[in-house]
Amino acid sequence: ELKVEQNPLFLSMQEEKNYTIYCNYSTTSDRLYWYRQDPGKSLESLFVLLSNGAVKQEGRLMASLDTKARLSTLHITAAVHDLSATYFCAVDGSNFGNEKLTFGTGTRLTIIP
Amino acid sequence: GAGVSQSPSNKVTEKGKDVELRCDPISGHTALYWYRQSLGQGLEFLIYFQGNSAPDKSGLPSDRFSAERTGGSVSTLTIQRTQQEDSAVYLCASSHRGIRNSGANVLTFGAGSRLTVL
Repeated sequence: ELKVEQNPLFLSMQEEKNYTIYCNYSTTSDRLYWYRQDPGKSLESLFVLLSNGAVKQEGRLMASLDTKARLSTLHITAAVHDLSATYFCAVDGSNFGNEKLTFGTGTRLTIIP
Repeated sequence: GAGVSQSPSNKVTEKGKDVELRCDPISGHTALYWYRQSLGQGLEFLIYFQGNSAPDKSGLPSDRFSAERTGGSVSTLTIQRTQQEDSAVYLCASSHRGIRNSGANVLTFGAGSRLTVL
């Protein structure tokens, strides 16, 4: 069974600091997704990573994928308050014939002014 | 429609009652997913549909839970004899993923149905 772990689970950071969220998964997959969830809201797609070495950037967020290490990272540069949210990674099981996405536990990010 | 619609947005019920949650996916999306999110927790997979069939229903917690999809569109998740541990937000998502589509499978989520069992 595919397992997806994120760390840290909770992260409080000051504005203008840099930090990284890690997403490890247990079974070979070359499709990984990052989502954002604001409090009381649903999930919004951020990044789609479809191959080893893929890197995507949007504003202060950058996501990368290392399929050999079964690791994805979400790097936050010079954090600002409006990045406060819960971030989820999800792994696609299509490599082994299952179309469902398995989500990580989420990282609740709080940016402190 | 423009997005994934779920109803009701909020449901409060008494223990032992049955509830039905509805999901109206994006028009043309072949795949439909149900997840459950308990307070402060991650997403727990329940079931997914490809068209009207459910290739993976392994996440349904018990036989009190069932789901169907008709016309390749609307889906209903039914919980019979609700228990307090069923309280959660039930999220529906849809995607344009075909059975042998090797591209990305980006899910678009609805706003969720918050179920409270007293």
